[in-house]
Amino acid sequence: DIVMTQTELSSPVTLGQPASISCRSSQSLVHSNGNTYLNWLQQRPGQPPRLLIYKVSNRFSGVPDRFSGSGAGTDFTLKISRVEAEDVGVYYCTQATQFPYTFGQGTKLEIK
Amino acid sequence: EVQLVESGGGVVQPGGSLRLSCSASGFSFSTLWMHWVRQAPGKGLVWISQITGDGSITTYADSVKGRFTISRDNAKNTLYLQMSSLRAEDTAVYYCARGGMNTEIDYWGQGTLVTVSS
Repeated sequence: DIVMTQTELSSPVTLGQPASISCRSSQSLVHSNGNTYLNWLQQRPGQPPRLLIYKVSNRFSGVPDRFSGSGAGTDFTLKISRVEAEDVGVYYCTQATQFPYTFGQGTKLEIK
Repeated sequence: EVQLVESGGGVVQPGGSLRLSCSASGFSFSTLWMHWVRQAPGKGLVWISQITGDGSITTYADSVKGRFTISRDNAKNTLYLQMSSLRAEDTAVYYCARGGMNTEIDYWGQGTLVTVSS
């Protein structure tokens, strides 16, 4: 199975400041078809997960443009350009390149 | 609007069985993969099963293989998860989720809680 490992945010983030979350996979997420199926989810407190980013850098429908994704191979990053209060929650990277789909352990975003 | 509504959760004794259902609406159900993902209390997300649009191919996590069965009724726009030989470690919120156009999971239901306890 592919192991997904996320970094922790070092401290609460100040409103309006940027935030960055890193994710590393134990093996390349490049599919045999050339696509990289690395996705990012947001889970607000008490809510189900919500898709933010798919295939590394594509924002899902309705996702604000302050969210962006980047990376390749085994190293990926989710960036929030200016954190807002509604961004509080846990963020997960997940790979859908091969079964079983796997998730990172989650990174908690708190606001200062 | 895509909607996924799970039902069937509850308290069950170890070794018991339970069937979860997920009613889908707002999209062409029979054309898309569907998934079950679970989340133990206070823990992260764990993918457990997937089924193709026509139901011909299913995939399972090792932790549930041989105990859980995923199925679907496209005439009723409903996804199922039959769970048997339940263990305490199966206690979790179970989410029904839709597979998107690029293998991603793009929509999630609100979840249903399954508690395995004597």
